[in-house]
Amino acid sequence: DAKTTQPPSMDCAEGRAANLPCNHSTISGNEYVYWYRQIHSQGPQYIIHGLKNNETNEMASLIITEDRKSSTLILPHATLRDTAVYYCIVRVRYGGNQFYFGTGTSLTVIP
Amino acid sequence: SQTIHQWPATLVQPVGSPLSLECTVEGTSNPNLYWYRQAAGRGLQLLFYSVGIGQISSEVPQNLSASRPQDRQFILSSKKLLLSDSGFYLCAYYPLDRGTTNEKLFFGSGTQLSVL
Repeated sequence: DAKTTQPPSMDCAEGRAANLPCNHSTISGNEYVYWYRQIHSQGPQYIIHGLKNNETNEMASLIITEDRKSSTLILPHATLRDTAVYYCIVRVRYGGNQFYFGTGTSLTVIP
Repeated sequence: SQTIHQWPATLVQPVGSPLSLECTVEGTSNPNLYWYRQAAGRGLQLLFYSVGIGQISSEVPQNLSASRPQDRQFILSSKKLLLSDSGFYLCAYYPLDRGTTNEKLFFGSGTQLSVL
């Protein structure tokens, strides 16, 4: 069962920051938040993950609220190639590592 | 380096026929292995995951089964396909090797299955 909720779609102007929200209100203390994206008919691509601190890498930034019930993925300067479905995932560590994907947010970057 | 192989890329099968999709991982030992399915226009649904040889956990009751006969081999099977089994099937692995750069789920390129 998905443990996250995301808006189904968003638009962003090319060159502007894209801010993708995610709610994970039932997250447990040792569960990480991951973000992946998927371009049509390809395997999802890893973007970033975090536990409670904000994280940044060459692709994006991840902002996690202090109560950890929500997070935001930030693509600082969106390009047309960033058009994809973005998934927010909680990694559950019970007898292994389970990654439950929700329905994701379809981001369209507009020229 | 680590790689994941999944085949075939495309498969068209008649209703009632058997299915076998194979996935192999290279460059890592004892990874967690996963099968996901994605129906058209939908998100990814976790079908099975495995933490070791012969250890399979099923997430949803269905017409499919999974097996892990070797450490880095994961097989998705069905005895009789249904129309509802159509979809995009993805194999994935989570390496348990030491190192923070490995704390990711890595996906194969997927199999597009059409049951007619």
